[in-house]
Amino acid sequence: AQKVTQAQTEISVVEKEDVTLDCVYETRDTTYYLFWYKQPPSGELVFLIRRNSFDEQNEISGRYSWNFQKSTSSFNFTITASQVVDSAVYFCAPMNTGFQKLVFGTGTRLLVSP
Amino acid sequence: GAGVSQSPRYKVTKRGQDVALRCDPISGHVSLYWYRQALGQGPEFLTYFNYEAQQDKSGLPNDRFSAERPEGSISTLTIQRTEQRDSAMYRCASSPPGETSQYFGPGTRLTVL
Repeated sequence: AQKVTQAQTEISVVEKEDVTLDCVYETRDTTYYLFWYKQPPSGELVFLIRRNSFDEQNEISGRYSWNFQKSTSSFNFTITASQVVDSAVYFCAPMNTGFQKLVFGTGTRLLVSP
Repeated sequence: GAGVSQSPRYKVTKRGQDVALRCDPISGHVSLYWYRQALGQGPEFLTYFNYEAQQDKSGLPNDRFSAERPEGSISTLTIQRTEQRDSAMYRCASSPPGETSQYFGPGTRLTVL
C-alpha cells in the first residue's frame, strides 16, 4: 500500500519569494515512481515531473526544482522567485511499478500575491 | 497536438438516472485511466485500460460503475442509478506506449440532484 502526505494545506507568499512544497510518501516497494501535478484555478491537471526511485539526482527546470531523498521518503518541490501564475493546488503522487495508478495526496494550495 | 478530450464537460442529472461519460485519449496513447476528484481532494483512481483490456478496476466504488474501451481508443465510464454521492469531477488520463506519465483531460463535472 502507498500513502502520501502533503502536510501543508495552504501556503501564501509574495511574488518573488522562494517556496518549497513538502511531500512525504510511504511505500513498501523498492521501486516506484513519484509525480508532481499542478491544478491551477481553471481546474485542469498539469503534469510537471516524474522521477523514479533509482534516481536521487535533483532536477531543475527553469524556476522549478525537485529534491528527492529516498532515505527520508521525501520528494519536495521548490519554486524560485514565485510568480502570480504559480498560484495553484499542487499534488504529489507516487506510483508503484507494475501498477499504473497514481495515489494523490490532498494537495497544497499555493497563493502568490503581487 | 490535441490533448485528452472529455464529454460532456458538465452533466446534471437526477438521482436514479444512468449517465455515460466519454473520454477520447491523445492519439497514439495506449493506456487510459479514469479518476474521480471530489471537491477539495486529490483525484482517486477508478480503473485503467491497456488498449481495449481493462487491467485494473479495483477503484470502482461498486457495481453501479463500469467502464469500457471496446476498440482501444475512446472509453466510456457508465454510472447506473446515480446517487447524490456520485457528484464529483470525473477525470480521464492517457499515457503513450512504455510511459508511466499520465496526461489528464479537462474532466466532466457530474452533479446528481
